[in-house]
Amino acid sequence: AQSVTQLDSHVSVSEGTPVLLRCNYSSSYSPSLFWYVQHPNKGLQLLLKYTSAATLVKGINGFEAEFKKSETSFHLTKPSAHMSDAAEYFCVVNGDGTALIFGKGTTLSVSS
Amino acid sequence: DAGVIQSPRHEVTEMGQEVTLRCKPISGHDYLFWYRQTMMRGLELLIYFNNNVPIDDSGMPEDRFSAKMPNASFSTLKIQPSEPRDSAVYFCASTLGGRADTQYFGPGTRLTVL
Repeated sequence: AQSVTQLDSHVSVSEGTPVLLRCNYSSSYSPSLFWYVQHPNKGLQLLLKYTSAATLVKGINGFEAEFKKSETSFHLTKPSAHMSDAAEYFCVVNGDGTALIFGKGTTLSVSS
Repeated sequence: DAGVIQSPRHEVTEMGQEVTLRCKPISGHDYLFWYRQTMMRGLELLIYFNNNVPIDDSGMPEDRFSAKMPNASFSTLKIQPSEPRDSAVYFCASTLGGRADTQYFGPGTRLTVL
């Protein structure tokens, strides 16, 4: 069975400070992992994707994520938050090739 | 490419009425997915198609929900009769290369059933 857990439902940061959104997964296979972002009243947009190549994956808008098999984690980071980063972020796993499993989401708030 | 197109963007209807949501996938994509998003349940997969054929509709909540894909460039999700608990944002997504590959989402239809 496969599953994904986003450890924080809400993260608040100040503009210019680092962002860390945490995600743990469970899979019996070598998984593909994704991060999607959803801005208010918008559809989901792919931020980045891991597919067993480099463990450090760079995405759009300065985000990156590191795949750590030993910790079954795929945390999303950004060195410096921008006001426009405020959105809902979804960690997604595909562990057995059948379907994408979405986490419950983390709301990122950015204050000035 | 225009991306996945959904219409209408907003729909307000009264309980008991029929509602039809529409989706145009990205040209050339062979998988199409319908999702529902609510605060309580998050993002739920309702049904998906491969080459216009419904593959898995186990996520469709009840017989009031039906989906069709008459051709590669058009799909509908119909609710008849609608109920207040159907109020949600409905997303359509498409992909090329497999049901577990990167999915491209439309902007969603926000449905409110009064």
